Amino acid sequence: DQQVKQNSPSLSVQEGRISILNCDYTNSMFDYFLWYKKYPAEGPTFLISISSIKDKNEDGRFTVFLNKSAKHLSLHIVPSQPGDSAVYFCAASAKYSNDYKLSFGAGTTVTVRA
Amino acid sequence: DSGVTQTPKHLITATGQRVTLRCSPRSGDLSVYWYQQSLDQGLQFLIQYYNGEERAKGNILERFSAQQFPDLHSELNLSSLELGDSALYFCASSVVPGGGSPLHFGNGTRLTVT
Repeated sequence: DQQVKQNSPSLSVQEGRISILNCDYTNSMFDYFLWYKKYPAEGPTFLISISSIKDKNEDGRFTVFLNKSAKHLSLHIVPSQPGDSAVYFCAASAKYSNDYKLSFGAGTTVTVRA
Repeated sequence: DSGVTQTPKHLITATGQRVTLRCSPRSGDLSVYWYQQSLDQGLQFLIQYYNGEERAKGNILERFSAQQFPDLHSELNLSSLELGDSALYFCASSVVPGGGSPLHFGNGTRLTVT
């Protein structure tokens, strides 16, 4: 079941401009949201996370915004750099009994143009 | 380097066969997760182990099984392979199960079933 959706499979942005990646979710039990970045032939790497009790978290050029009422989060990358070209996965974590399950979106491929 | 090691990197086998994928988690991590990524799909959660015990199951087929050994390495066994099992299989590890604790992914095993 697709509890986490990334409706834009790809995004092209000019170097130096802002990249905005969107993610929607359906499960109100999600309490943590994470973004992962993946280069070809490598595994995903953790980028940034946000707890459901916050609405913004910033780390350098990366900022994640959470709108719980809309069940929507976004990742802003400012300014975009060529090395940011990768696949970005949105993920959400929910606790079931004593365990957490992490659900991933299908990913958004970002291409930063010089 | 995430510290998570997966072997082999590539595996080509025929339908009906059985294969074993191996994962060594990052030093100190007790939780191991297995994910499947089919072409143009997101990461589908298969199964999670914590300190040798199965903790959570996702959409794992009955033909698939996994275990985590006392030294914390994990193996994913895929049997009666079908063409549709061709995918990238990722192993990830974390210190504690889920929540905001980020997962550290290996570079994956690419399985091709012919």
